[in-house]
Amino acid sequence: GAVVSQHPSWVICKSGTSVKIECRSLDFQATTMFWYRQFPKQSLMLMATSNEGSKATYEQGVEKDKFLINHASLTLSTLTVTSAHPEDSSFYICSASRLAGNEQYFGPGTRLTVT
Amino acid sequence: GQQLNQSPQSMFIQEGEDVSMNCTSSSIFNTWLWYKQDPGEGPVLLIALYKAGELTSNGRLTAQFGITRKDSFLNISASIPSDVGIYFCAAILTGTASKLTFGTGTRLQVTL
Repeated sequence: GAVVSQHPSWVICKSGTSVKIECRSLDFQATTMFWYRQFPKQSLMLMATSNEGSKATYEQGVEKDKFLINHASLTLSTLTVTSAHPEDSSFYICSASRLAGNEQYFGPGTRLTVT
Repeated sequence: GQQLNQSPQSMFIQEGEDVSMNCTSSSIFNTWLWYKQDPGEGPVLLIALYKAGELTSNGRLTAQFGITRKDSFLNISASIPSDVGIYFCAAILTGTASKLTFGTGTRLQVTL
């Protein structure tokens, strides 16, 4: 299998606080993990690509100081939304690629609501 | 960023009917993937295509990698209610660290 988990599945936080989302590949090692955000009725938009042990590569327009990504091991990547604001409310989804392969396997997503 | 053009945007069909959707791009890609996303869930990989002209099936699903490498289609035969969801095509260009470019999505509704 190729199972990816995310935690938490949903979170509500107050404006100005930080939130950490975890992404784990449960039954395979992932050289690369990706973070996406998805607004209602829209497609997935790539935020950043992270490789184990190195700095994440952010897409144009994504603030790296606001969306901190850490890829500590071959099975875990975290996304921290710092100083969250209501406009950061969205569905955040991670994905992971195996060591040899192009397919990305997605986590179930985390719904973030900032009040 | 770039997105792939997917059509139709949405479709209502009756149970038992066949469904066809396609995805086009102005750029060449080396890998095409089809995903299904249920509400509040992450996308699930349905079919992966690696060679131009390749035709691959997964149960009632069949997908093809266009010969020009700029398009792909997905067919679903004998649709059932659980086929409801949003279908996304996605493509990868070799040398881009497996970054996916996503299609705009096709929302499928199946009526009994």
